[in-house]
Amino acid sequence: AQTVTQSQPEMSVQEAETVTLSCTYDTSESNYYLFWYKQPPSRQMILVIRQEAYKQQNATENRFSVNFQKAAKSFSLKISDSQLGDTAMYFCAFKLGQGAQKLVFGQGTRLTINP
Amino acid sequence: DTGVSQNPRHKITKRGQNVTFRCDPISEHNRLYWYRQTLGQGPEFLTYFQNEAQLEKSRLLSDRFSAERPKGSFSTLEIQRTEQGDSAMYLCASSPGDREASGYTFGSGTRLTVV
Repeated sequence: AQTVTQSQPEMSVQEAETVTLSCTYDTSESNYYLFWYKQPPSRQMILVIRQEAYKQQNATENRFSVNFQKAAKSFSLKISDSQLGDTAMYFCAFKLGQGAQKLVFGQGTRLTINP
Repeated sequence: DTGVSQNPRHKITKRGQNVTFRCDPISEHNRLYWYRQTLGQGPEFLTYFQNEAQLEKSRLLSDRFSAERPKGSFSTLEIQRTEQGDSAMYLCASSPGDREASGYTFGSGTRLTVV
């Protein structure tokens, strides 16, 4: 079974700083997808960024980028120029390829951006 | 389309009562998922549908839980004889069936409190 581990329960940085959230996963498969989701307080979960395992290039979405290390099974999220609105729970998630549908989530990292 | 809609937003029930939640997915999404999220944890998979067919159920989904998607549109999740351990946020999500790399679109969830 696939597992996802987020080793940082909480993080806190000052506005405009850069922060990196860690995620490791365990799988014996080679075809899969990785995601970072953001869940603001009392609001719905939204997709931040996704990475296909077969792509070597790290995904980037504006201020959000990932460092995907396939051999190490590591998938960290970097938030540049952090903003107050980035305060949220962040979940790393894994999905097998080849028609699999289930997303497996990590335990989450609570990120607080301080003014 | 206003995204994934879940009703009610909150439900307080007495132990032993039955409850039913509703999810309306994005209209063009043929896949629908139910997840459960307890405080401070990542979402845990419960079940998913492709159109009206329920294709996978988690072992978390005891015989007191039943989910339906009768016409391949909205879905209901019923919990019979509720227990205090059922208290959680129940999340619904949907995704298009033809894009393997797509993540889910989540609803805002139904928070269940069993007293």
